Amino acid sequence: KAGVTQTPRYLIKTRGQQVTLSCSPISGHRSVSWYQQTPGQGLQFLFEYFSETQRNKGNFPGRFSGRQFSNSRSEMNVSTLELGDSALYLCASSTVAGAPPSTDTQYFGPGTRLTVL
Amino acid sequence: DQQVKQNSPSLSVQEGRISILNCDYTNSMFDYFLWYKKYPAEGPTFLISISSIKDKNEDGRFTVFLNKSAKHLSLHIVPSQPGDSAVYFCAACFMNRDDKIIFGKGTRLHILP
Repeated sequence: KAGVTQTPRYLIKTRGQQVTLSCSPISGHRSVSWYQQTPGQGLQFLFEYFSETQRNKGNFPGRFSGRQFSNSRSEMNVSTLELGDSALYLCASSTVAGAPPSTDTQYFGPGTRLTVL
Repeated sequence: DQQVKQNSPSLSVQEGRISILNCDYTNSMFDYFLWYKKYPAEGPTFLISISSIKDKNEDGRFTVFLNKSAKHLSLHIVPSQPGDSAVYFCAACFMNRDDKIIFGKGTRLHILP
């Protein structure tokens, strides 16, 4: 079956703009988690959605928001972009909510590379 | 505050030898640990995990060792192969809590021919 897909793969924005990233989970997966990867901080958890509800949230400012649709697709929005928001944004899906091992392992998408100029 | 630390940003190992990737954690309440492998332009993929009730878990060439008293775990790859060149992330979470996974910053492994 198809894996997790993320669009767009690459994005260039300028400071102050906003951006919306999209994630389509594996068919049948209802949980979508978002992560930010930077060289300095590694992989940091942003938030998790399950059945259109946010279940967990990491330590990111309110400029970072997300939502999940009834078909489990998820979007992440970052408003008022800052240079430090340049990163690889990864989403991961799993069949049920919560961290392993209560769920099966998360499956990651290839990521969206966001560059803020 | 990094709860999961991978202090070596990179590691080079000769093909055929053993690769040892290390990971330290600060929260003694973590009770489940995972390793992920990431190639460029791809998302991380799950490699191997270990529960805190064990001190070793083996899967083919990959073995994870857990030392709870030292709050340290390591991933051993034997023998190392060229396809093992990737970034390896250590991660930790709580088995009975619906909470997020905490990742380390990753270690880039280079397998030398």
